[in-house]
Amino acid sequence: GQNIDQPTEMTATEGAIVQINCTYQTSGFNGLFWYQQHAGEAPTFLSYNVLDGLEEKGRFSSFLSRSKGYSYLLLKELQMKDSASYLCAVRGLGGSWGKLQFGAGTQVVVTP
Amino acid sequence: DTAVSQTPKYLVTQMGNDKSIKCEQNLGHDTMYWYKQDSKKFLKIMFSYNNKELIINETVPNRFSPKSPDKAHLNLHINSLELGDSAVYFCASSRGKDTQYFGPGTRLTVL
Repeated sequence: GQNIDQPTEMTATEGAIVQINCTYQTSGFNGLFWYQQHAGEAPTFLSYNVLDGLEEKGRFSSFLSRSKGYSYLLLKELQMKDSASYLCAVRGLGGSWGKLQFGAGTQVVVTP
Repeated sequence: DTAVSQTPKYLVTQMGNDKSIKCEQNLGHDTMYWYKQDSKKFLKIMFSYNNKELIINETVPNRFSPKSPDKAHLNLHINSLELGDSAVYFCASSRGKDTQYFGPGTRLTVL
């Protein structure tokens, strides 16, 4: 099975930086995804890590350490529209195919 | 040009009824999924089909029956609806095990 932990809520001001941590315990690992979900909308893909290190995509970056079972999503130059829930999801190995196990999500509140 | 679409967007029904939710994707993907997101916003996999074959079947009551008539469609039929079935149901699709793309969701309310 897989346990995925992330903080429930984080608050930051417009223009600031926020780092959302995700720790996981898994019997098999084949990639970690970050999704953004605005209230009442579908999750949208943000980033993917399967090897250790940092992946940068504009204002968003994601980091993975497989040995530590740890990832973070870094949001820079926060904008009001970044207020949303951020979901960490781990993909298992082999017979579990593309099965994603999601964390409960971190609600990010951006204040003026 | 919607990539993954679901119908209906909202569904309000009485306990005991049978209902269906439909999903279609035009991304050319070969794998489709159903997820349930409860009131605590926890997103949980229910089923997955690859090339019309069931490959993931989580611990879900057998009142829920998925059907994939072709690679672009995955429907979810629910019999004898219960109050606890109230949730948002998301369809998703992917090419193999690659990134999954989600539909807009169907908010089901059972009264």
